[in-house]
Amino acid sequence: QVQVVQSGAEVKKPGASVRLSCKPTGYSFTSHYLHWLRHVPGQGLEWMGVIDPSGGSTTFAQNFRGRVTMTTDTSTSTVYMELSSLRSDDTAVYYCGRGRLRGTIMDYFDYWGQGALVTVSS
Amino acid sequence: DIQMTQSPSSVSASVGDRVTITCRASQGISTWLAWYQQRPGKAPKLLIYDASSLQSGVPSRFSGSGSGTDFTLTISSLQPEDFASYFCQQSNSFPPTFGQGTRLEIK
Repeated sequence: QVQVVQSGAEVKKPGASVRLSCKPTGYSFTSHYLHWLRHVPGQGLEWMGVIDPSGGSTTFAQNFRGRVTMTTDTSTSTVYMELSSLRSDDTAVYYCGRGRLRGTIMDYFDYWGQGALVTVSS
Repeated sequence: DIQMTQSPSSVSASVGDRVTITCRASQGISTWLAWYQQRPGKAPKLLIYDASSLQSGVPSRFSGSGSGTDFTLTISSLQPEDFASYFCQQSNSFPPTFGQGTRLEIK
């Protein structure tokens, strides 16, 4: 069965960077795009961007361009998301989600990781 | 970005009740809409996609309808495990956007 396992919670100081990992199993790693989303307390979910695990191409939401990097490691079937210049309002639960279809950025998310709480505090 | 507005923000109901949650898009999105369920501390779960298609493994008491700007999620007979948060998501226009969520509580 498909599972998506994320790395654990992080505590960071303002201005620092955080790198989260996402490892899906139960299907061919390169067959579905992987998306990163976040849920800020008291707000709705926010889509951050997407990566094609096979080639590494990425597309980011305007709000995160210049601050986010997404990479893929096909040898370990893991994708990574790094967010830099952290601010207190980046405190959120960050999710990795699999795109339901193949080869499309605009998609729904059929399997999600368990989420990783990132706390940004001085 | 397309704004997705859900109502109500919270609703109280009893086991066996029929509940409807609505989602309105700030512009037309055809039927490019999904509904998710999230229980506390758990990952979101895809329930409905393309406005009315039931995701594999989801009980048939869940149904979705609508097109354009107005959509509904209906739970026909609430079960104890349905008390959770629900949110909608559009995939018509970049970037994908979500409603703010509806909390379904036990009355």
